[in-house]
Amino acid sequence: DIQMTQSPSSLSASVGDRVTISCQASEDISNSLNWYQQKPGQAPKPLIHDASNLETGVPSRFSGSGSGTDFTFTISSLQPEDVATYYCQQYENLPLTFGQGTKVEIK
Amino acid sequence: QVQMQESGPGLVKPSETLSLICTVSGGSFSSHYWSWIRQPPGKGLEWLGYVYYSGNTNYNPALRGRVTISIDTSKNQFSLKLRSVTAADTAVYYCAKDKGSSGWLFDYWGQGALVTVSS
Repeated sequence: DIQMTQSPSSLSASVGDRVTISCQASEDISNSLNWYQQKPGQAPKPLIHDASNLETGVPSRFSGSGSGTDFTFTISSLQPEDVATYYCQQYENLPLTFGQGTKVEIK
Repeated sequence: QVQMQESGPGLVKPSETLSLICTVSGGSFSSHYWSWIRQPPGKGLEWLGYVYYSGNTNYNPALRGRVTISIDTSKNQFSLKLRSVTAADTAVYYCAKDKGSSGWLFDYWGQGALVTVSS
């Protein structure tokens, strides 16, 4: 199985701050990576597919980059409604696997 | 707009079989992969497996052969059976749909069903 490692596991930042989350794959996954946002008590919501493509309707302050084994998810200006846990997910190989999540809070 | 809803018992005894159904409405049931994903309390997401509308399946080997996912296209439903459960199988179970146009992106999810394994 491909292991996905996210860092940090949690972070606290101020409104308006730039927030960056890393996701590392245990082997080369090309750009086969998606990002999700999960708010408390809700199902995950897809934000980015194929490492860098924003889903329709997702605010442009969210972005993704990377390929191979190292990926980055960025919120350019953190908003109160962005408080959530963010997950990366690889689909290069089955079984599909997720990172352990990064919890984002407001300072 | 696709809507998905999980249903089934919220409490299962150890060693028994966990059974859930996902009912899909508002969209085409064909030409999509339908998955089950679970999340233990306070933990991350684990993909359990999928069923294609044709009936083809693929399962996460971590479940060690305990899982069966099946589909009933006449009812727009697919189901999960997880045998020989233990406390470690306590989780919120989500059903989810693959978008189809992008690689394994889950674009619609059910609200989740909490299943507790306890005697």
